[in-house]
Amino acid sequence: DVKVTQSSRYLVKRTGEKVFLECVQDMDHENMFWYRQDPGLGLRLIYFSYDVKMKEKGDIPEGYSVSREKKERFSLILESASTNQTSMYLCASSLGPLVEQYFGPGTRLTVT
Amino acid sequence: KQEVTQIPAALSVPEGENLVLNCSFTDSAIYNLQWFRQDPGKGLTSLLLIQSSQREQTSGRLNASLDKSSGRSTLYIAASQPGDSATYLCAVKDGNKLVFGAGTILRVKS
Repeated sequence: DVKVTQSSRYLVKRTGEKVFLECVQDMDHENMFWYRQDPGLGLRLIYFSYDVKMKEKGDIPEGYSVSREKKERFSLILESASTNQTSMYLCASSLGPLVEQYFGPGTRLTVT
Repeated sequence: KQEVTQIPAALSVPEGENLVLNCSFTDSAIYNLQWFRQDPGKGLTSLLLIQSSQREQTSGRLNASLDKSSGRSTLYIAASQPGDSATYLCAVKDGNKLVFGAGTILRVKS
C-alpha cells in the first residue's frame, strides 16, 4: 500500500512566522503535490513537483514556496505566515502524471 | 478553464438505498477522472480512477461511469451503509493537474 505521511496533523503558528510542512511518501513516486482545502472553495493546487529539485507553480502559489531535495520528501514553506493561510493542507503523490494520486492525512494549520 | 461541478451538494438517504452522485466538467479534453472519499478532518482516499478511453470502473459496491463527450461522470453506490457516510469528491486530470469539484456530502441513516 502506498503511504503518504505528513509531519503534523494540527499546527498553530503566529502571524509572520516561517512555517514548514513536510510530506513523505514511501513508494518511490516521481510526482508530488501540495493542495489547500477551504470550505466553499474545494481543493486548490499550490505547487507540484515531477522530479527531485524540480517544481512548478499551481493555481495559488503566492505566499508559498517548496523544496524537493530527495525523491520521497516534498516540503511546503510559508515564508511569513498570514491569517489567510489558515487552512487544511493536503499532500499527494503519484507514480506518473496519468495515474492515481494518493493523499496524506492532511495538516490543519491555524495562523493567529 | 476547466470547471468541475458536483450535484447534489448534500444527500441524505436511508440505509440500503442505491444512490447516484453526479459530476460534470466543462472541458472534455481530460486524461482521466478520479473519485475520492473524504471523512471529516481526514485526507482523501482514492475510490476509482477512469481513464479517458474507458467507460466505467467497478470496485465492490461502487461503479463509476464516464461520458467524456457530454462532460459527465456518475458514481453509483449500491446498498448504501452508514459507513458510506462521507464527502465524495470527483476530480479530472486536466493537463498537469487535478481539478476538483466541491464534493457531495453523503449521510446514510441507519
